[in-house]
Amino acid sequence: DTEVTQTPKHLVMGMTNKKSLKCEQHMGHRAMYWYKQKAKKPPELMFVYSYEKLSINESVPSRFSPECPNSSLLNLHLHALQPEDSALYLCASSQVGRGSYEQYFGPGTRLTVT
Amino acid sequence: AQTVTQSQPEMSVQEAETVTLSCTYDTSESDYYLFWYKQPPSRQMILVIRQEAYKQQNATENRFSVNFQKAAKSFSLKISDSQLGDAAMYFCAYRRSNNDMRFGAGTRLTVKP
Repeated sequence: DTEVTQTPKHLVMGMTNKKSLKCEQHMGHRAMYWYKQKAKKPPELMFVYSYEKLSINESVPSRFSPECPNSSLLNLHLHALQPEDSALYLCASSQVGRGSYEQYFGPGTRLTVT
Repeated sequence: AQTVTQSQPEMSVQEAETVTLSCTYDTSESDYYLFWYKQPPSRQMILVIRQEAYKQQNATENRFSVNFQKAAKSFSLKISDSQLGDAAMYFCAYRRSNNDMRFGAGTRLTVKP
């Protein structure tokens, strides 16, 4: 199983809502990532979890709150988002350590903030 | 900070022909990894090919090969015998040893039948 799954596929939320994005993998990977991708742009790294601990936080606004409850799951909690936060949110996973380990990407959650 | 530059926003190739996508990067580190990822329209990002910086030999994967010039900080992708299914956005990516990965702006490849 080399699949990273993300739910929901699409999400529309108001600026006062609270919602969560979910990502799951069963490849035994101990690194998991959140990226934000705007249309026709490259993915931008938001957070990296390594062994369930936050290892990289790219100065993301606090309205985005990541959580890694276990080695297979990664959540992104959303609160008081702005319209400019509308984007495709990609989750990825990989092995940890030195090596050319590829990141496996999920299909993404397309988020629209109204 | 590491930066990745893809100077070709769009490229076009005839089916069965060869095309080269360019990528340069800037880093002061010696331990890093380079990747080319492919993102077809409305589909998932997938790995095309990878290269360890400490390896001098250029990586190859079937019709895909790279020209890695470490001193010049250049990492181009060559696609041979292009197929219609190769049409996609191609991202060059630089990854540090701590899993911090950065992408170039991307090159949109069109394959003409």
